[in-house]
Amino acid sequence: DTEVTQTPKHLVMGMTNKKSLKCEQHMGHRAMYWYKQKAKKPPELMFVYSYEKLSINESVPSRFSPECPNSSLLNLHLHALQPEDSALYLCASSQSYGTGDTEAFFGQGTRLTVV
Amino acid sequence: EDKVVQSPLSLVVHEGDTVTLNCSYEVTNFRSLLWYKQEKKAPTFLFMLTSSGIEKKSGRLSSILDKKELFSILNITATQTGDSAVYLCAPESGSGNTGKLIFGQGTTLQVKP
Repeated sequence: DTEVTQTPKHLVMGMTNKKSLKCEQHMGHRAMYWYKQKAKKPPELMFVYSYEKLSINESVPSRFSPECPNSSLLNLHLHALQPEDSALYLCASSQSYGTGDTEAFFGQGTRLTVV
Repeated sequence: EDKVVQSPLSLVVHEGDTVTLNCSYEVTNFRSLLWYKQEKKAPTFLFMLTSSGIEKKSGRLSSILDKKELFSILNITATQTGDSAVYLCAPESGSGNTGKLIFGQGTTLQVKP
């Protein structure tokens, strides 16, 4: 199983809503990531979890709150978003570093629209 | 500041042509360089390069890394319409147990029949 599964595939939310994006992998990977991708732009890193601990936060606004309940799951909690937060949110995972096997596998993404 | 520059930004070719995509980078704590192909949604992994001068091949695609000159190239021979996509170069910057991919802006390849 080399799959990273993201749900939902599409999400429309109002600026006062609270919602969560979910990501799951069963490859035994110990690093998981959230990326944000706007149209015709490359993915931009938001967060990195390594061994279930937040190791990188790329100065993301607090209206985005990541959570890693266990080594297979990664959530992104959304609250009070702005229309400019509308984007494709990609989750990825990779084997722990130092093993020479660090290619990141991406999920299909959640297309988020904030209205 | 980390920097990744891909060229060309876009390319239109005909089936059967050979293309070369370029990626130059300056990143701190460089570990490896990855190439991805992105069509509609998720980037799909193509290659990971860690050593200079060793060509990696997968079918009609091949890639090589030059760690001294800080660049990589991705070659596609005998292009097909299914190769039309955005190709992303992503050097990995990291230390210890953590790291991150820094994506270039991508090369949009269109292969015409």
